[in-house]
This record gives sequence, structure tokens and C-alpha cells, in this order.
Amino acid sequence: DIVMTQSPDSLAVSLGERATINCKSSQSLFSSSNNKNFLTWFQQKPGQPPKALFYWASTRGSGVPDRFSGSGSGTDFTLTISSLQAEDVALYYCQQYYSIPTFGQGTKVEIK
Amino acid sequence: EVQLVESGGALVQPGGSLRLSCAVSGVPSSDTWLGWVRQAPGKGLEWVANIKSDGSEKNYVDSVKGRFTISRDNANDSVYLQMKSLRVEDTALYYCTRGWGNDWWGQGTLVTVSS
Repeated sequence: DIVMTQSPDSLAVSLGERATINCKSSQSLFSSSNNKNFLTWFQQKPGQPPKALFYWASTRGSGVPDRFSGSGSGTDFTLTISSLQAEDVALYYCQQYYSIPTFGQGTKVEIK
Repeated sequence: EVQLVESGGALVQPGGSLRLSCAVSGVPSSDTWLGWVRQAPGKGLEWVANIKSDGSEKNYVDSVKGRFTISRDNANDSVYLQMKSLRVEDTALYYCTRGWGNDWWGQGTLVTVSS
């Protein structure tokens, strides 16, 4: 199984400041067959199911504000919120789907 | 709009059985994978099982192999999770998902295993 490790486990950021979440996989998620990385970023707010923010590591999902960005390739990936808003308080998960899907342990984003 | 609606969650004793159902609407489900992901109270996400569009391939997380069975009915746009020999550690909110990458999620159905 591919192991996904996120860092940090939690972070507190001031409103308007940048938040950065890292995700590392135990093996490469890049496929040369389609030149894409099989990674999704999810956002989960309390009492709600996860919502996909980015597919293929950097393809923004429908309705996702452009202050969110996804980057990285191979084994190292990053989710960035360029200017944190109050509504961004949530848990964030990375998930690989290169093989049987596995999730990172989650990162809790709070307001400082 | 894609909608997935789970049902069947309940309180059950250890060793008991339960069958979860998920109805998919808004888009044909017969052309893609369907699956289940669970979340124990206050914990992270754990992928449980998935099934290919035609039902020819099924995958399970190791902890449920031999105890859970996933199936689907494309005529009724539904997917099921038959769970037996339930354990306390199976207690979780079970989400139905669509797509190999779990693109779409239902609201979840709660399974509580307790004596």
C-alpha cells in the first residue's frame, strides 16, 4: 500500500496570511501514460463530507476559490491557501489514487 | 447534479451484521467505480472498498477482507456494503463515493457497533 504522510498535523494562521500543507507519498504518484499525478486534495468542514479541491494534484475542482492552489509531482505535493479566510477553517486531506486509494492523516487549519 | 444517498446505518452488537445501501442519481453510475470510505468518530478517512463499473473487480482494505462484501445493481444505480462479524472498531460514518478517485461523496450513514 502507498502511505501518505501530511505535515503539519495542524496549523494556525492569521486571517489573510498564507497557509501551506505538505503531503508526501511512499512512492511516486506520477504516471507516464497520461503525464499526471494521481493525487486529490479534499477539504472537510465539520458535519460535512469531504469535498474535492484538486484532482490530478493541480486541477481545481468546480467552485474552488483561486486562493487555493495545488502543486507538486512524484512524491511531494503541496496545498496552499494564499490568503486565509474564516470559511477555510477545516480539515484537509490528501489522497492518492495511483493504486488502491489511501489518505493522509489530515491537517487541521485554524485561525490564529 | 450528482447525488449519493446512503442508508442502512444502525446500532448493532459486536458479531452482528448490517447492510448499507447507496442510491446514485444525477449521472449514470454504470460507467464508473463506486465505493465506500469510513470515518471513525473524531478520526481521519479510511478507504474501505470499491467495485468496478461492471462488478468484475472488487477491492477491500485488509481489515475488512472476509467480513465485508461490496456489490452493485446498475439497473437501479445502487451500491451496497454487506457487513458481517462486526467489531467495535468498525464504528464509523460510512460514506458512499463515486469514481476511482472518490470524486463525489454522500452525506454518510452511521454504523455503531456496541454492546
